[in-house]
Amino acid sequence: EAQVTQNPRYLITVTGKKLTVTCSQNMNHEYMSWYRQDPGLGLRQIYYSMNVEVTDKGDVPEGYKVSRKEKRNFPLILESPSPNQTSLYFCASSFGGVAYNEQFFGPGTRLTVL
Amino acid sequence: GQQLNQSPQSMFIQEGEDVSMNCTSSSIFNTWLWYKQEPGEGPVLLIALYKAGELTSNGRLTAQFGITRKDSFLNISASIPSDVGIYFCAGRSRIQGAQKLVFGQGTRLTINP
Repeated sequence: EAQVTQNPRYLITVTGKKLTVTCSQNMNHEYMSWYRQDPGLGLRQIYYSMNVEVTDKGDVPEGYKVSRKEKRNFPLILESPSPNQTSLYFCASSFGGVAYNEQFFGPGTRLTVL
Repeated sequence: GQQLNQSPQSMFIQEGEDVSMNCTSSSIFNTWLWYKQEPGEGPVLLIALYKAGELTSNGRLTAQFGITRKDSFLNISASIPSDVGIYFCAGRSRIQGAQKLVFGQGTRLTINP
């Protein structure tokens, strides 16, 4: 089954404790992206990757890191989480070109930072 | 970054009613998209629009790409309970670059049976 998977789905942590949210897709997509969803703000892009070893900042990259060592995986790293990073996070992937539009989203990771 | 203004923020309707929502921007977009998010799920693409003036349907859903390129509309006819969810517009512009999508704040649709 074609899908984007994220782990964990739910996470409660404390300020300053490094964490990683994994994202994996099995559709051989070049493009992958991370978004955060907050009430009243819609989805805002954190980082994206056009292909392996190619990453760039989105609109709200502060406090986050990413890596793209393999085509299928795009982990989101919070080196020192803070309460303002409490949010619902989505990973998405798509093929390149105009197919950037047809992004497939993962099920989401709800993160709470105390 | 750029923002899309989506309205209304929420809608409470009776089953069978038609629904209309829209998305506006102060700048031009080359592509407009409409997504639906159901509880506990990620957004799913409903309709994609690529040309100004384009009108596209997907079952009971119809979306239009505004002539000015600064707005888009989504209509749902004869709503049913499974239409419940949050609807997001999204756009792609030359300013943002081909690889970035900008999302609206979402319209939360609630249906009374």
